[in-house]
Amino acid sequence: ETAVFQTPNYHVTQVGNEVSFNCKQTLGHDTMYWYKQDSKKLLKIMFSYNNKQLIVNETVPRRFSPQSSDKAHLNLRIKSVEPEDSAVYLCASSYGLGASYEQYFGPGTRLTVL
Amino acid sequence: QQKVQQSPESLTVSEGAMASLNCTFSDGTSDNFRWYRQHSGKGLEVLVSIFSDGEKEEGRFTAHLNRASLHVSLHIREPQPSDSAVYLCAMGAGNTRKLIFGLGTTLQVQP
Repeated sequence: ETAVFQTPNYHVTQVGNEVSFNCKQTLGHDTMYWYKQDSKKLLKIMFSYNNKQLIVNETVPRRFSPQSSDKAHLNLRIKSVEPEDSAVYLCASSYGLGASYEQYFGPGTRLTVL
Repeated sequence: QQKVQQSPESLTVSEGAMASLNCTFSDGTSDNFRWYRQHSGKGLEVLVSIFSDGEKEEGRFTAHLNRASLHVSLHIREPQPSDSAVYLCAMGAGNTRKLIFGLGTTLQVQP
């Protein structure tokens, strides 16, 4: 099956803990993204990677760091979570770099910070 | 800052009736627009991508783009209860390398 896969589906943690989310795509794409979807359903880009190189890094707090081992994987680490980090984190991939390329999304990881 | 506004915020239609969703954007520099669907607890599924003024049909989903009016709409023909979801409009500009999303329209299709 070719798609975008994310783990875990849900994660509940305490303020100050470190969390890590995984994303893998089997579509053969060169570009991967992390988006944050807040409680109002607003979706905002956080990072985009092209061939393991960071291309876009929106103004996200420094406690967020993307990690890419190869073109098919893009993980997200949050060093010390805060309550405002509670959201759904969506991973996506596309064939090329740029908004004109179709992006395919994973099912998301819902983070709850207590 | 580029913005995308969607209306209505929520919409309820009966099964089989046409559903129409609207999206307005803040400037005319964008060259591509997409409609996505998101079922509860799931990721985004692209429905229609449109890159020029006019109409684009994908099955029961038709998008209309009018860049002069800064408007793109989505019409769902013969909606079914399984179409109940949040519909997101996204605008992309190639030089910014990113998509900008609206807040979505929650569609409920009643049997």
